[in-house]
Amino acid sequence: SQKIEQNSEALNIQEGKTATLTCNYTNYSPAYLQWYRQDPGRGPVFLLLIRENEKEKRKERLKVTFDTTLKQSLFHITASQPADSATYLCALDSGGNNRLAFGKGNQVVVIP
Amino acid sequence: GAVVSQHPSRVICKSGTSVKIECRSLDFQATTMFWYRQFPKKSLMLMATSNEGSKATYEQGVEKDKFLINHASLTLSTLTVTSAHPEDSSFYICSASPSGTQETQYFGPGTRLLVL
Repeated sequence: SQKIEQNSEALNIQEGKTATLTCNYTNYSPAYLQWYRQDPGRGPVFLLLIRENEKEKRKERLKVTFDTTLKQSLFHITASQPADSATYLCALDSGGNNRLAFGKGNQVVVIP
Repeated sequence: GAVVSQHPSRVICKSGTSVKIECRSLDFQATTMFWYRQFPKKSLMLMATSNEGSKATYEQGVEKDKFLINHASLTLSTLTVTSAHPEDSSFYICSASPSGTQETQYFGPGTRLLVL
């Protein structure tokens, strides 16, 4: 069956450190993968998109890698700040027409 | 830019009634909009793809007669939950893709539905 797995345990990290989140998937062949931020009671906010032929993408303090052999994406927040505290969702192209399948998300808590 | 609104933000209704949720792209045109549902501590689940001027495409297991979708213009899609029951209580979120940039989706703030 198809799965998208993100760590269910919250990541507590000291301000200024790098937070690294993992997204693993099974039985998908995504043309691209996206990361979103979601705050409680709000809709997701788009952060980054990385395509299957790209290894790494950066945007300001964010970095995403995509390994189609390992079927894994890593999401990094460098120099983390308390304002980065949120749940981060991995989403991938689930077979065409730009339909997305989401992971459950991984909560990040940045401690001042 | 790329703002999507939803109305209402929350709604409480009695079992058996119908509820309409609006999704609007405020500063761009969207040929395609998507409707998702999210239960507490669960992932967003795609319910259907809404295409302007044509019928919506529903995901497997989603009842099209229960969740009516209308995408009458390039900036508005509506989801009507018909004959709502308590198990329909959830967080409903729409997203919109700007025409010509298909892979990027901009999400609305969500609508919290509680059916009593």
